Amino acid sequence: DTAVSQTPKYLVTQMGNDKSIKCEQNLGHDTMYWYKQDSKKFLKIMFSYNNKELIINETVPNRFSPKSPDKAHLNLHINSLELGDSAVYFCASSPPPGQGTYEQYFGPGTRLTVT
Amino acid sequence: GEDVEQSLFLSVREGDSSVINCTYTDSSSTYLYWYKQEPGAGLQLLTYIFSNMDMKQDQRLTVLLNKKDKHLSLRIADTQTGDSAIYFCAEAMYSGGGADGLTFGKGTHLIIQP
Repeated sequence: DTAVSQTPKYLVTQMGNDKSIKCEQNLGHDTMYWYKQDSKKFLKIMFSYNNKELIINETVPNRFSPKSPDKAHLNLHINSLELGDSAVYFCASSPPPGQGTYEQYFGPGTRLTVT
Repeated sequence: GEDVEQSLFLSVREGDSSVINCTYTDSSSTYLYWYKQEPGAGLQLLTYIFSNMDMKQDQRLTVLLNKKDKHLSLRIADTQTGDSAIYFCAEAMYSGGGADGLTFGKGTHLIIQP
């Protein structure tokens, strides 16, 4: 009954590979997000997405692309992985404003290590 | 643009109160949040406050908001060893049909001394 789940929890891969991280939420939320936490624990928004609009943080390289097969899923695909992509990636979801709660619920994170 | 600032470290004795401070720059921020992250774990929402409120209390946690100075604080009463974690301040902007995501501070490492 996990609210926001991510797979895999750990991902180790080599430079140049392409990988995906999956995210699913069972909360019925309309909006989902991807965040990146670097080795210094700094957290930055990468994408926010609902069924109408994708908002991209301008600092995110275009090697990163979110893909949403349906409202409950927002997967993160990364092409041509680089050493600097090593980080913990968090997925999150939230209901639309006006529905009584303004919390963003986070998944457990995926630790990506690029060697 | 949005910017959220926090001190990186705070050390307190067990049983004392901890006060973690945060400043933000976007005067139109709608919601402000405190998240807790324990080592190797995800983000746990502790509390949030609307920008039209001054204070919110929830058990050992008290949030104070000074809109004039754009200053947010989190007070943890009777700090315990289990409170040892990184505490993130965050602000959210909502536009159109959804949120643009949270802008986080760099996090304050709370260290508990016995």
